Amino acid sequence: NFMLTQPHSVSESPGKTVTISCTGSSGSIASNYVQWYQQRPGSAPTTVIYEDNQRPSGVPDRFSGSIDSSSNSASLTISGLKTEDEADYYCQSYDSSNSWVFGGGTKLTVL
Amino acid sequence: QVQLVQSGSELKKPGASVKVSCKASGYTFTSYAMNWVRQAPGQGLEWMGWINTNTGNPTYAQGFTGRFVFSLDTSVSTAYLQISSLKAEDTAVYYCASQTTIDFDYWGQGTLVTVSS
Repeated sequence: NFMLTQPHSVSESPGKTVTISCTGSSGSIASNYVQWYQQRPGSAPTTVIYEDNQRPSGVPDRFSGSIDSSSNSASLTISGLKTEDEADYYCQSYDSSNSWVFGGGTKLTVL
Repeated sequence: QVQLVQSGSELKKPGASVKVSCKASGYTFTSYAMNWVRQAPGQGLEWMGWINTNTGNPTYAQGFTGRFVFSLDTSVSTAYLQISSLKAEDTAVYYCASQTTIDFDYWGQGTLVTVSS
């Protein structure tokens, strides 16, 4: 089964830049779009990146997404970190059996 | 504006059934797919499957066949998730999420289902 693997947690200081990776277990991660969701405690997820690198309206341009085919990974980069960015982040993509798959999630701590 | 409003928390005994509702407003209900996502306590997001709101045809992810049923009442723009023969491991927050584009762009607030004797 297709899996997306994320680091369990990352931490960085306010104002710095952090990158969260999402590695596909098989096939080419570039074959299907990757989305990224932010989930704050007690709230439903919201989209911060869709179609690999597109930002929904209202998401600041501090958030960016990219694909690296050589490592079969997607990345979410957040620059100019703010304490409000502290949340869980999930990547999502589609597998060959027409199923959506979420990564295990990464807890971002801004300290 | 688009809103998905889910039914309230449920406390059920093992072996019972539960039906979670997800009422949509602010868009044409039958135009967009409705997904269901499970989040066990302290765990990540797990896609359960989706239902075609135009045809009513459900698709279930691996691990969500048999005891899980997606249904619709298009007259009241509402999607339902029914879980039968509840087990302790079904304890989770269940989200509905509509998909107007490629991402799950609108989510319900979540419904906590607790299974305990």
